[in-house]
Amino acid sequence: AQRVTQPEKLLSVFKGAPVELKCNYSYSGSPELFWYVQYSRQRLQLLLRHISRESIKGFTADLNKGETSFHLKKPFAQEEDSAMYYCALIWNTDKLIFGTGTRLQVFP
Amino acid sequence: GAGVSQSPSNKVTEKGKDVELRCDPISGHTALYWYRQSLGQGLEFLIYFQGNSAPDKSGLPSDRFSAERTGGSVSTLTIQRTQQEDSAVYLCASSYGPPSKVEAFFGQGTRLTVV
Repeated sequence: AQRVTQPEKLLSVFKGAPVELKCNYSYSGSPELFWYVQYSRQRLQLLLRHISRESIKGFTADLNKGETSFHLKKPFAQEEDSAMYYCALIWNTDKLIFGTGTRLQVFP
Repeated sequence: GAGVSQSPSNKVTEKGKDVELRCDPISGHTALYWYRQSLGQGLEFLIYFQGNSAPDKSGLPSDRFSAERTGGSVSTLTIQRTQQEDSAVYLCASSYGPPSKVEAFFGQGTRLTVV
């Protein structure tokens, strides 16, 4: 089945530690890939998209077509990074498909 | 308004009753999406509108769920004969073009509780 998989429901790290939030997809071809973030009591919002190749709030994500992955990384986590992170993709339509999300907890 | 607005924010209803959830997209946004967010299930796609038409209704879980959009603006998601498993946060999003090109903006959601 075509899907977006985020294997970790919860990821806990200490401030200053590196973070990697995993995302794998099982669509063929070249989907557009995104990371969305939802901070506590805030709306879901776009964090970054792979075509922009940007670093947003210190986060980067590299598309690995061979491994069909789009992991989100940050070298030094901050407490304010604590949030729910969703990987998402668009493939062949204008429909955003989301993974199940990973909750990142950054402890002081 | 400055963003996508959803009403009501919270809705508690008795099992078997019908509910209507409303979404006011950002003015000028042609695309509108409904998602369901529940614990452990992530964001589940329900339906997508382009203007007033719905090219993709594949995510509606059953025939108890329906949605419409009028005037290319406001959308209503209707759930008939609600069941306890319908309890979730229902999110609406809109964008002025395909989300592959532009950002989709989300509302704050409607938390539906079926008792």
